[in-house]
Amino acid sequence: EPEVTQTPSHQVTQMGQEVILRCVPISNHLYFYWYRQILGQKVEFLVSFYNNEISEKSEIFDDQFSVERPDGSNFTLKIRSTKLEDSAMYFCASSEREGGFGYGYTFGSGTRLTVV
Amino acid sequence: QKEVEQNSGPLSVPEGAIASLNCTYSDRGSQSFFWYRQYSGKSPELIMFIYSNGDKEDGRFTAQLNKASQYVSLLIRDSQPSDSATYLCAIYNYGQNFVFGPGTRLSVLP
Repeated sequence: EPEVTQTPSHQVTQMGQEVILRCVPISNHLYFYWYRQILGQKVEFLVSFYNNEISEKSEIFDDQFSVERPDGSNFTLKIRSTKLEDSAMYFCASSEREGGFGYGYTFGSGTRLTVV
Repeated sequence: QKEVEQNSGPLSVPEGAIASLNCTYSDRGSQSFFWYRQYSGKSPELIMFIYSNGDKEDGRFTAQLNKASQYVSLLIRDSQPSDSATYLCAIYNYGQNFVFGPGTRLSVLP
């Protein structure tokens, strides 16, 4: 079964450093997403991406965050200057059609980001 | 602010029993409703979705939707220890994205 692949599985970084989280969506999917889940809390939407541009973003997705699809297969989330409160599990997801219409998302296995 | 509420649990049921998981939502205009299962430290996995009022069955799972009451539930028949996980309710509106509830932790006791 096709999978969404995320790397690394765990990243530890110092506060103030930049991190890039990488995702390879399912190949025929057109819609891409990042969500995060702080330990013990809800899964929260960050950003959706379609046709090489951001289609929607949440209040969490401020100027320190950016996304990119650099080469037609990878989908990255960059956090420019990490803060302690950025520590969370970050999930990439993709869907063939807009997520809610009968398909939901396929989530990747996640990257656990720990900011120290 | 769209809210999705779930009882955090844990909900404990004996093996073979029916587990009933409930979810309420605040946005009356919500269009589609999803149930995800999340094992500890893992990503959410889609179980099923429902759009229309009434029941929808898929194997041991039944989703129930009552839009008038803004209520959606998931029944798991013949619960197995492997069903022990956190169950996430999520709502979706066209042009927006998923709003997840906090999840209900289910424990199926052998």
